[in-house]
Amino acid sequence: AQRVTQPEKLLSVFKGAPVELKCNYSYSGSPELFWYVQYSRQRLQLLLRHISRESIKGFTADLNKGETSFHLKKPFAQEEDSAMYYCALRGSGTYKYIFGTGTRLKVLA
Amino acid sequence: EAEVAQSPRYKITEKSQAVAFWCDPISGHATLYWYRQILGQGPELLVQFQDESVVDDSQLPKDRFSAERLKGVDSTLKIQPAELGDSAMYLCASSDGSSTSYEQYFGPGTRLTVT
Repeated sequence: AQRVTQPEKLLSVFKGAPVELKCNYSYSGSPELFWYVQYSRQRLQLLLRHISRESIKGFTADLNKGETSFHLKKPFAQEEDSAMYYCALRGSGTYKYIFGTGTRLKVLA
Repeated sequence: EAEVAQSPRYKITEKSQAVAFWCDPISGHATLYWYRQILGQGPELLVQFQDESVVDDSQLPKDRFSAERLKGVDSTLKIQPAELGDSAMYLCASSDGSSTSYEQYFGPGTRLTVT
């Protein structure tokens, strides 16, 4: 079954602490993996994708095909990082997206 | 900057009534998605259009839900009759539809409450 799992509904960290939001996936084939973010009162928007291998707002994510994971990391959390984060995969062919249930990140002062 | 538009933003309806949502994607975007997001869950794809054609509607409850994109531009999602379990956020998203495109642009959503 095609599935994206985000095991943590809520993650609270202090400002300046490292952050890791977990994402595991199940997909037969080679999907593309993404992280989307929704800040308070804003639209859901793309944060980063695995193919680009870039750092956005200090966040990085590495695709681990062996562990079927795509965890989102940031070495030093900022208060403005507080948001809802969704991991998603896009299947090949139809380009259908499957989203995880999301993790709410709270960065405490 | 171009954005995906949705209306209405909020809708309260009684069960068994009909309700419709409208989405206007970013100009030129061939792919349009309708998602349902139940509180505490991630977006779930209901239907995906490529231009005016349905690409995927496997999760659309076809006995009560319908979606159309007649001219390949804006789209309407309808529920008839609405049930209490339909209360959710309905999100529309679009992308340019090319094989190399990857980013979905989301609208603000329509929050539906069925009483």
